[in-house]
Amino acid sequence: DQQVKQNSPSLSVQEGRISILNCDYTNSMFDYFLWYKKYPAEGPTFLISISSIKDKNEDGRFTVFLNKSAKHLSLHIVPSQPGDSAVYFCAARDYSGNTPLVFGKGTRLSVIA
Amino acid sequence: DSGVTQTPKHLITATGQRVTLRCSPRSGDLSVYWYQQSLDQGLQFLIQYYNGEERAKGNILERFSAQQFPDLHSELNLSSLELGDSALYFCASGVTDTQYFGPGTRLTVL
Repeated sequence: DQQVKQNSPSLSVQEGRISILNCDYTNSMFDYFLWYKKYPAEGPTFLISISSIKDKNEDGRFTVFLNKSAKHLSLHIVPSQPGDSAVYFCAARDYSGNTPLVFGKGTRLSVIA
Repeated sequence: DSGVTQTPKHLITATGQRVTLRCSPRSGDLSVYWYQQSLDQGLQFLIQYYNGEERAKGNILERFSAQQFPDLHSELNLSSLELGDSALYFCASGVTDTQYFGPGTRLTVL
């Protein structure tokens, strides 16, 4: 049973526009969420995170929004650049911090010049 | 460069065989995490070691085992390999919320 779901396997966006990647979760014990980015032939790299006490966290062009009541989070990239083309994984962990991260299946973002 | 190294990069073997994947964590990191990424699957957590001791276990098959050595490097042993074990295997080090991933080992079972 997938506790973290990324329902869009792929997304294409034009350079300069906004990219919105979505993630849904089912476990109400999750209270910390992360986004990882993965280029081909490399391991995932941490991008941005958000705690459940916040509903938004911003880091440069990247903003993560959390809607706890809907158990939904999204990653916004503005403006999108060709170098953002990668697979983006959403991950979550519960409040204890002692359990492993649970990852979604990823969304492949293609930014077209 | 994450500072996490994994060897080998690629491994091709036959069904029924046994392989060992190796991971060296970032300097100073005590935890090592192993993940499997199969086709169309996300990163599935397998197992975590902390300073030589098993800390958490995920969806790791009984045919798979791991250990962490005194120098903190870790090995993931996969035995009686099946076609379905073909995947990318990643190791990561750090702490739960900030994990640094290695480049992965691509295992192909023929």
